[in-house]
Amino acid sequence: DAGVIQSPRHEVTEMGQEVTLRCKPISGHNSLFWYRQTMMRGLELLIYFNNNVPIDDSGMPEDRFSAKMPNASFSTLKIQPSEPRDSAVYFCASSFADVEQFFGPGTRLTVL
Amino acid sequence: TQLLEQSPQFLSIQEGENLTVYCNSSSVFSSLQWYRQEPGEGPVLLVTVVTGGEVKKLKRLTFQFGDARKDSSLHITAAQPGDTGLYLCAGGGGADGLTFGKGTHLIIQP
Repeated sequence: DAGVIQSPRHEVTEMGQEVTLRCKPISGHNSLFWYRQTMMRGLELLIYFNNNVPIDDSGMPEDRFSAKMPNASFSTLKIQPSEPRDSAVYFCASSFADVEQFFGPGTRLTVL
Repeated sequence: TQLLEQSPQFLSIQEGENLTVYCNSSSVFSSLQWYRQEPGEGPVLLVTVVTGGEVKKLKRLTFQFGDARKDSSLHITAAQPGDTGLYLCAGGGGADGLTFGKGTHLIIQP
């Protein structure tokens, strides 16, 4: 089992550029979560999907952030335009029913 | 919004010592989870507690859920350098997103 796969692992971009983060959940899992982690705010839930449908996006900081899950094996988190305050580690996690959430290794985003 | 407060924020102790870290909330949680996160990796689940007063042991780690299901503690006996990491508590979960505390950064010095 490959676990949750995220790409890229590191992303450095300039302010104003579009950033796309990708996630492949564990096969068979029906829930997918996007989190953001910073020293100041800790780990925050941005959005989660159940059976590919967005259930709660109240954690998305603003309209510059968007997430999609076109199928059960792929999700993207897009930031457009990016700002320096978006710099953080972004985690994707997946789960099945009420069993534990499995986290990917994260994408470290730096916006200059 | 349900908040989880963890203490201490940072803890550095010598190998072989015992320690306890805490997770507190003013809200009741149906379940509470403890994760450990190592640098460059995502959090990994250690344990889930669901019943008020529940105690679970994982080798040298003992987890307790408060009777009112508002707080939890993690006790480590005879800490080892391999225990170093960020310990996070989280409420909720499953088909819903988790609410995380900010964590306790633990360093065990040889």
